[in-house]
Amino acid sequence: KNQVEQSPQSLIILEGKNCTLQCNYTVSPFSNLRWYKQDTGRGPVSLTIMTFSENTKSNGRYTATLDADTKQSSLHITASQLSDSASYICVVSASDYKLSFGAGTTVTVRA
Amino acid sequence: DAGITQSPRHKVTETGTPVTLRCHQTENHRYMYWYRQDPGHGLRLIHYSYGVKDTDKGEVSDGYSVSRSKTEDFLLTLESATSSQTSVYFCAISGPLIQETQYFGPGTRLLVL
Repeated sequence: KNQVEQSPQSLIILEGKNCTLQCNYTVSPFSNLRWYKQDTGRGPVSLTIMTFSENTKSNGRYTATLDADTKQSSLHITASQLSDSASYICVVSASDYKLSFGAGTTVTVRA
Repeated sequence: DAGITQSPRHKVTETGTPVTLRCHQTENHRYMYWYRQDPGHGLRLIHYSYGVKDTDKGEVSDGYSVSRSKTEDFLLTLESATSSQTSVYFCAISGPLIQETQYFGPGTRLLVL
């Protein structure tokens, strides 16, 4: 069964600090991996997308990495801001375009 | 929210009553999806549509039905609501190809008492 596991489940960081979120998946055959940001009470919004051949993708202060060999991805947030407080969801697409969603990591940024 | 609206945004209903949630898009995208989101779970696909009157089941379709009579509207019906269907429901759209990024609506919070 295709699965996506995210860690940690939640974390708290101080404003201005960096943090890294992890995503491990067993989806096969792999097509692409997306990271979404979900603010409280809102729908998820796409941050990055990476295919098999890409190992890094940036979107402002967000940098995603992908190791397709080990089936791991990370999302690094640089110089965190209060607006980064949200849930971050890892979504993996199989080659049949079916999506598998992680449960998300809740990030709280404190002043 | 990429031209997607959901109605109602909040609903409280009683066990055994039918409930219909509406998703409306202004993007003319071919694909529309209904998901539910529960604590500790990732988003789970209920049903999706690949065109007017063309729909298919997702992984958690039991107790739900859908209809799409126009490109812009996708309805989700809980035939007889149960407490286990208390959840937040999200509509998403994508297109013109199925592998395009999905854009999500603002969600509908449903409480079944």
